[in-house]
Amino acid sequence: QQQVKQSPQSLIVQKGGISIINCAYENTAFDYFPWYQQFPGKGPALLIAIRPDVSEKKEGRFTISFNKSAKQFSLHIMDSQPGDSATYFCAASGNGQNFVFGPGTRLSVLP
Amino acid sequence: DTAVSQTPKYLVTQMGNDKSIKCEQNLGHDTMYWYKQDSKKFLKIMFSYNNKELIINETVPNRFSPKSPDKAHLNLHINSLELGDSAVYFCASSQGASGMQETQYFGPGTRLLVL
Repeated sequence: QQQVKQSPQSLIVQKGGISIINCAYENTAFDYFPWYQQFPGKGPALLIAIRPDVSEKKEGRFTISFNKSAKQFSLHIMDSQPGDSATYFCAASGNGQNFVFGPGTRLSVLP
Repeated sequence: DTAVSQTPKYLVTQMGNDKSIKCEQNLGHDTMYWYKQDSKKFLKIMFSYNNKELIINETVPNRFSPKSPDKAHLNLHINSLELGDSAVYFCASSQGASGMQETQYFGPGTRLLVL
């Protein structure tokens, strides 16, 4: 129940394309769903986060879509750029339980 | 100003040695964490401290011992290092208590290689 599943494991997108990363969880006590971005040699950094009271949150080119009934959420990167090439982690927490991270998606955006 | 700092950045050592990694945060946060990231990039929490008290202690060998001398510091001591301990260790901090809807701020990581 603590697990967060994430797919795909790796993703290659052309510059200007849309990158989509999906996550699913089991624990209905989770109520906070952040996405972290990690560049090589660096620590993860918060990109965008959502709470289950909304179905979508947009910040610039990054959008989280949240489906509470399906216990799924996804990250969409519009107009993907080579500078977006990084590893992306979804995570979940809530009800006093600590963050659980997904296994990560390595995104490569080709110029 | 570095928000979460770790030392050393790289650590190469022989199997069986004892080593420590230090972490400091200057954000005034109440909670600090240690994560292990393996070669496949999987990020797993090891420990969580809130106001110097241990909150989370995941299934980690007791060769790993965290120490929090004050709210701004959380050090990780590892005894009898094994080959499987080779990984990147990240320290992180957040404003409130562990598990709340808080952004975690990660340090740059310590790359540990056990030979």
